[in-house]
Amino acid sequence: ETGVTQTPRHLVMGMTNKKSLKCEQHLGHNAMYWYKQSAKKPLELMFVYSLEERVENNSVPSRFSPECPNSSHLFLHLHTLQPEDSALYLCASSQDAGEAFFGQGTRLTVV
Amino acid sequence: GQNIDQPTEMTATEGAIVQINCTYQTSGFNGLFWYQQHAGEAPTFLSYNVLDGLEEKGRFSSFLSRSKGYSYLLLKELQMKDSASYLCAVDDDYKLSFGAGTTVTVRA
Repeated sequence: ETGVTQTPRHLVMGMTNKKSLKCEQHLGHNAMYWYKQSAKKPLELMFVYSLEERVENNSVPSRFSPECPNSSHLFLHLHTLQPEDSALYLCASSQDAGEAFFGQGTRLTVV
Repeated sequence: GQNIDQPTEMTATEGAIVQINCTYQTSGFNGLFWYQQHAGEAPTFLSYNVLDGLEEKGRFSSFLSRSKGYSYLLLKELQMKDSASYLCAVDDDYKLSFGAGTTVTVRA
C-alpha cells in the first residue's frame, strides 16, 4: 500500500452537486492536511488535523467541510462550489510537524 | 501572515548547476523543507534544514541561514529528469507554509 492515497484522482462536478474527497494514510502519522494547489500559485493550506482535532482553518469558505473520523482518514466534503474552486487538492500527513508526505491529489473541475 | 519568496522560473543546460533561492518571513520557524514536484504528480521530499549550514545529499544540497531568513537548493550535474517545480516550505509550528515554487527547465 502506498503511503498516502487519495480518491478520486479526477472529479468533475456541477455547482449544485455534493461530493467528497477521501484521503487515507498508512504511515501511522498523527497529523493530516488539506492543501489547494491552483495554477501558478503557492500551495494553500486549508485545514490541519492533529490527533484527529482540527487545529487550523485558514479562512476557508464553508462550502468546504473537512472531516477526520480517525488518524488514518481525512475527508473533504464539497457542496455548492464555484468555478474558481477548480484546482488540485492535495492531502498530506506527517508525524507531528515533520516531513509531510503527499498523496497524488484530486484534480477537481467545477462546471 | 507568512511570506515565502522564490523565483518563478529558471532554465539551465544538462550537466550544469542551478541554485534556487528562497527567502522567508514567518511567525515561527522549526525548519525549512525543499520539495520536488513533477507536473501532475505529488510533491516529494528532497531536504530539511533546521540549523545553519549546508546539507548535502548526492547531487542536491540545501543551505540555510536563519538570521537572514534565507535558503537555497543547489542542483548539480543537472539531468533532464530534474525538470520540475521546486517548492520551498517553512515549518511554522504544526504546519508547512509553501512558496509558489520554482519551475526548473533542463535543456539538452
